[in-house]
Amino acid sequence: QKEVEQNSGPLSVPEGAIASLNCTYSDRGSQSFFWYRQYSGKSPELIMFIYSNGDKEDGRFTAQLNKASQYVSLLIRDSQPSDSATYLCAVNRNGQNFVFGPGTRLSVLP
Amino acid sequence: GAVVSQHPSWVICKSGTSVKIECRSLDFQATTMFWYRQFPKQSLMLMATSNEGSKATYEQGVEKDKFLINHASLTLSTLTVTSAHPEDSSFYICSGKQGISHNEQFFGPGTRLTVL
Repeated sequence: QKEVEQNSGPLSVPEGAIASLNCTYSDRGSQSFFWYRQYSGKSPELIMFIYSNGDKEDGRFTAQLNKASQYVSLLIRDSQPSDSATYLCAVNRNGQNFVFGPGTRLSVLP
Repeated sequence: GAVVSQHPSWVICKSGTSVKIECRSLDFQATTMFWYRQFPKQSLMLMATSNEGSKATYEQGVEKDKFLINHASLTLSTLTVTSAHPEDSSFYICSGKQGISHNEQFFGPGTRLTVL
């Protein structure tokens, strides 16, 4: 079992819709969770992080964490074509070892 | 967010030569820096983790004698690809993290290496 799993996609949503990106992880000791966005040919950029169970909202983005289910998700409201990118989920256990998922490719159709 | 720079942004070299990539944290002190490699259409693969003043910890399968990492200061880490071969052609990305807590890591813009 891979440590961090994501659907590779592509996930296609129409402009203005909600995009839902999912991530599961295997290490129950994981303590912090990150979502990064990566445009083709560029390095990842941090969207948001979450440490506690529940929801965390930042603008059009909402991260949801459920440690019991070992599941973290990212919702993007009012999706825009500029949101089209690969979204990487990253999980961290002890501040040192980050594990990235394979990424989900999102395509927002105008 | 914090800013990390990398130099060069792209490099082309002949097989057998060595290439050094610099990673600098510009506005924070990166106690830990990470080096990743990313092949086309694949995810990030962690190569090594380095803490300032210590030897780097390499991931399984990464040759430490081929990929030399130096983290001599809190703002600079270097990756040297020694005796590069075409299969080493990839996108190399560094990131920095401040402190030892669960802080996020900030990525440099990446270095695209092409070995002819």
